[in-house]
Amino acid sequence: NAGVTQTPKFRILKIGQSMTLQCAQDMNHNYMYWYRQDPGMGLKLIYYSVGAGITDKGEVPNGYNVSRSTTEDFPLRLELAAPSQTSVYFCASSAPTGGTYNEQFFGPGTRLTVL
Amino acid sequence: KQEVTQIPAALSVPEGENLVLNCSFTDSAIYNLQWFRQDPGKGLTSLLLIQSSQREQTSGRLNASLDKSSGRSTLYIAASQPGDSATYLCALRGSTLGRLYFGRGTQLTVWP
Repeated sequence: NAGVTQTPKFRILKIGQSMTLQCAQDMNHNYMYWYRQDPGMGLKLIYYSVGAGITDKGEVPNGYNVSRSTTEDFPLRLELAAPSQTSVYFCASSAPTGGTYNEQFFGPGTRLTVL
Repeated sequence: KQEVTQIPAALSVPEGENLVLNCSFTDSAIYNLQWFRQDPGKGLTSLLLIQSSQREQTSGRLNASLDKSSGRSTLYIAASQPGDSATYLCALRGSTLGRLYFGRGTQLTVWP
């Protein structure tokens, strides 16, 4: 298993540009998440999905959009990039077992700079 | 809202020392707690997962404990090595569809 994969690893955007961060997992996990990590801070939840066709906002959703057309893929779209979106973006997935949600597995991250 | 605090923010120790990293949280209604390791410029590696019904988990030189009543977890690292140098993050799984609440991390440096 490749686990959780993310592309690209690095990207520099100009203010106002758009891009899509790709995330895929091959563990057949229903739950997927997007987090951002600013320097010296913990991770904050942007969006999450509990299955194909179902998404919802997290703590910091403004400026982002997501879609979940398949179990495997969960792309994050940035529209009109702003300097405040300079951050490292992590995708994660997990699967519920009975009534307990087990560990989350993280991708390697995408380092985004908006100039 | 769940708040997660990690103390200390940074720690520098000589090789061989036993050390304790602390994590405190405000809401005891959690499903589990996960400790991660993050190397500079890298992703998160899961170290230990403690379910809410458990008191501790062990993996090699690592031992994590959970005390929900006091809102605390500790990560104990025995016989530290330079290769343990990294940032250690504590994360709680709350009651809302499995999202994690993260602390800011403890940056550990182990020098030879």
